[in-house]
Amino acid sequence: GAVVSQHPSRVICKSGTSVKIECRSLDFQATTMFWYRQFPKQSLMLMATSNEGSKATYEQGVEKDKFLINHASLTLSTLTVTSAHPEDSSFYICSARTRQGTTEAFFGQGTRLTVV
Amino acid sequence: GENVEQHPSTLSVQEGDSAVIKCTYSDSASNYFPWYKQELGKRPQLIIDIRSNVGEKKDQRIAVTLNKTAKHFSLHITETQPEDSAVYFCAASSGGSARQLTFGSGTQLTVLP
Repeated sequence: GAVVSQHPSRVICKSGTSVKIECRSLDFQATTMFWYRQFPKQSLMLMATSNEGSKATYEQGVEKDKFLINHASLTLSTLTVTSAHPEDSSFYICSARTRQGTTEAFFGQGTRLTVV
Repeated sequence: GENVEQHPSTLSVQEGDSAVIKCTYSDSASNYFPWYKQELGKRPQLIIDIRSNVGEKKDQRIAVTLNKTAKHFSLHITETQPEDSAVYFCAASSGGSARQLTFGSGTQLTVLP
């Protein structure tokens, strides 16, 4: 299947700093990527849909100025958590679907963010 | 938007027994229903999926059934093994250009040796 690579896998940052997470589709082009957040023992909650060359679409309750998404190419989307707070500590996962219209979603490895 | 409910939240079975996890969805336009297995700290792994034009699909010990009228679908795992222990998520996709997935709340499956 298609491969989605996400980096870093783990990051610890201080409160008030920003953290950038990268999501790359390695062997296919992804016009759309999705960013999820998962708190311990909870489900994956969609944060935003990242569209190549246009603004991301954020889910209700997700602050677009805090979670900056950039999808500058067909193989790369980034999520920047700005002015991080301890409550932002979570597992962030991206996913992508191929342009060929297959319905299967391919997930990145996830990023464990800890804000201290 | 779509709402997916999943039951049970935890499930313990003896090795060799069957496990069944059920999900319901709200959006009648949903047409794709995958099931994911997630181990702690890892990415979700697709184990089986079904589209709305099919009522049942099987892959070795895993099967999924779909009832469009009732808007529910189920995962069946037979001859369970300890390595089947994980969190399982159902999801639904309502189509459209974004084709985003809405996930159920997850089921922690424990297979007791």
